[in-house]
Amino acid sequence: ELKVEQNPLFLSMQEGKNYTIYCNYSTTSDRLYWYRQDPGKSLESLFVLLSNGAVKQEGRLMASLDTKARLSTLHITAAVHDLSATYFCAVQSGGSRLTFGEGTQLTVNP
Amino acid sequence: DAGVIQSPRHEVTEMGQEVTLRCKPISGHNSLFWYRQTMMRGLELLIYFNNNVPIDDSGMPEDRFSAKMPNASFSTLKIQPSEPRDSAVYFCASTRLGLYNEQFFGPGTRLTVL
Repeated sequence: ELKVEQNPLFLSMQEGKNYTIYCNYSTTSDRLYWYRQDPGKSLESLFVLLSNGAVKQEGRLMASLDTKARLSTLHITAAVHDLSATYFCAVQSGGSRLTFGEGTQLTVNP
Repeated sequence: DAGVIQSPRHEVTEMGQEVTLRCKPISGHNSLFWYRQTMMRGLELLIYFNNNVPIDDSGMPEDRFSAKMPNASFSTLKIQPSEPRDSAVYFCASTRLGLYNEQFFGPGTRLTVL
């Protein structure tokens, strides 16, 4: 059974600081996704990573994938309050099924 | 594009009642997913369809839950009879199968069973 683990689960950081969220998964997969969820809202797709070494960037967020290590990272650069949300990674396995991590609740303080 | 549409957005019902959640996927998408999100269990896949055919229903908790997709633009998730432990947010998502398989989520239905 595929397991997807994120850490940290809770992250409180100051504006302007950098930090990284980690996503480990237990079985081989060639597709990894990052989603954002604001409180009481739906999930918004951020990145789709398809291959080893893939790197994608959007604004202050950068995601990378190392399929050999079964690890993806979501790096936050110079955090701002608007980035406060819960971030999920999800791994595709068995057809188009996604298995989600527990989520990382990010709070950016002024 | 209107995105994935779900109805109702909120549902409050009493234990034992039948509940039907509805979903309209994005036009042109051929795969549809039903998820449930709770604080205790996180985000769980209940069932998904490819080209209107159920592919994997291993996440459906028990026989009280059933899902149908009679055509490419409509799906239902039914709970009969409902129980308080079914209280959760139910999301529908859709994708066009291909290289990315990126799933787009609807706004969700918040279900409360009293």
